[in-house]
Amino acid sequence: DTEVTQTPKHLVMGMTNKKSLKCEQHMGHRAMYWYKQKAKKPPELMFVYSYEKLSINESVPSRFSPECPNSSLLNLHLHALQPEDSALYLCASSHRFGTDPYEQYFGPGTRLTVT
Amino acid sequence: GNSVTQMEGPVTLSEEAFLTINCTYTATGYPSLFWYVQYPGEGLQLLLKATKADDKGSNKGFEATYRKETTSFHLEKGSVQVSDSAVYFCALLREAAGNKLTFGGGTRVLVKP
Repeated sequence: DTEVTQTPKHLVMGMTNKKSLKCEQHMGHRAMYWYKQKAKKPPELMFVYSYEKLSINESVPSRFSPECPNSSLLNLHLHALQPEDSALYLCASSHRFGTDPYEQYFGPGTRLTVT
Repeated sequence: GNSVTQMEGPVTLSEEAFLTINCTYTATGYPSLFWYVQYPGEGLQLLLKATKADDKGSNKGFEATYRKETTSFHLEKGSVQVSDSAVYFCALLREAAGNKLTFGGGTRVLVKP
């Protein structure tokens, strides 16, 4: 099973709201990722967690706050977003993160609209 | 730095036509190469991969061969179906860069009946 699940599928939020995106995998992977994808563009890496610790933050604004409560779950907390943050947010996982090129498996994404 | 260049789309084909999507890369060392597919309104699915020179990845009738001499990883399918309409992303992964995928810009393919 190579499934990564994400909830919700769609989310509409105002600029003053606080919401969270959730990602889950049960493949025993120890690396998890958040990507942002704008229309007609490839995904852009936001965060990488390795063994539940934040390994990479690609200079993402603090209104995005990631959390990895355990090896299967990854959350992205959203607060005071801007309309330009509207995008498809993709979660991915891989066996490990580091020196070996393990392939990444992506979830279906959350389509976020900020009004 | 690492980079991936794909042919720009959209590529419009008739059903049962032959599909080729060109992909070339720039990277030091020996990257692993991937093709991902994104169907409308969905996330990315790993289509195939190759981890060393001359490896051929294949899946669902798609094939791509890792050509180090030409730094290419072109995607091919002999007979496309309407259901193959999607955006295709070529990507590379270098060991020394951890698991940070470098994507090409994506190629939209539209197959007409």
